[in-house]
Amino acid sequence: KNEVEQSPQNLTAQEGEFITINCSYSVGISALHWLQQHPGGGIVSLFMLSSGKKKHGRLIATINIQEKHSSLHITASHPRDSAVYICAAALTGTASKLTFGTGTRLQVTL
Amino acid sequence: GAGVSQSPSNKVTEKGKDVELRCDPISGHTALYWYRQRLGQGLEFLIYFQGNSAPDKSGLPSDRFSAERTGESVSTLTIQRTQQEDSAVYLCASSYPPGQGPREQYFGPGTRLTVT
Repeated sequence: KNEVEQSPQNLTAQEGEFITINCSYSVGISALHWLQQHPGGGIVSLFMLSSGKKKHGRLIATINIQEKHSSLHITASHPRDSAVYICAAALTGTASKLTFGTGTRLQVTL
Repeated sequence: GAGVSQSPSNKVTEKGKDVELRCDPISGHTALYWYRQRLGQGLEFLIYFQGNSAPDKSGLPSDRFSAERTGESVSTLTIQRTQQEDSAVYLCASSYPPGQGPREQYFGPGTRLTVT
């Protein structure tokens, strides 16, 4: 069993829909990262959080430390949001070394 | 300012040859990470450098893999006697030192390595 699991693996949505991607982890963490990987391969860091909630534009990330669960929400989705979204955990005691989920491939259609 | 840069962007090599991949981190970022992403798979941690501390090499898959870092700047990842299973995108990331906790990591564009 992977230490970091994401769901769903694939997601198709219509423009304007509200999207949720889930991430669960089974070990202690010091922080949880959400990353975006575009079709060209480049990776951008969206959020790093260790508690509560963060918001940036149409993106919202939440984390529940007790339940070992994080969610990434996209409001009013747009085709340009189409990408692979990856959650990654900085495990406790491992400095900043990240353990990655397998990613969620999101396709937003018109 | 400039982001993390990596070179080459693409590398095709024959099985058994050695390759060297380069990463230039963001200036001021003392932490540097190498990751690997095989086709259709998730990212894997390879090695982590932080300042003058001994690197965390726990993710290197075999002794054919090694990495060096010059001070707090350029890093090179070397793969000796390449195998087809080494084909992947090799990504470098950098961050400010962890300090009180982890820091946001900034990723380079990656080097796509193909071993024929």
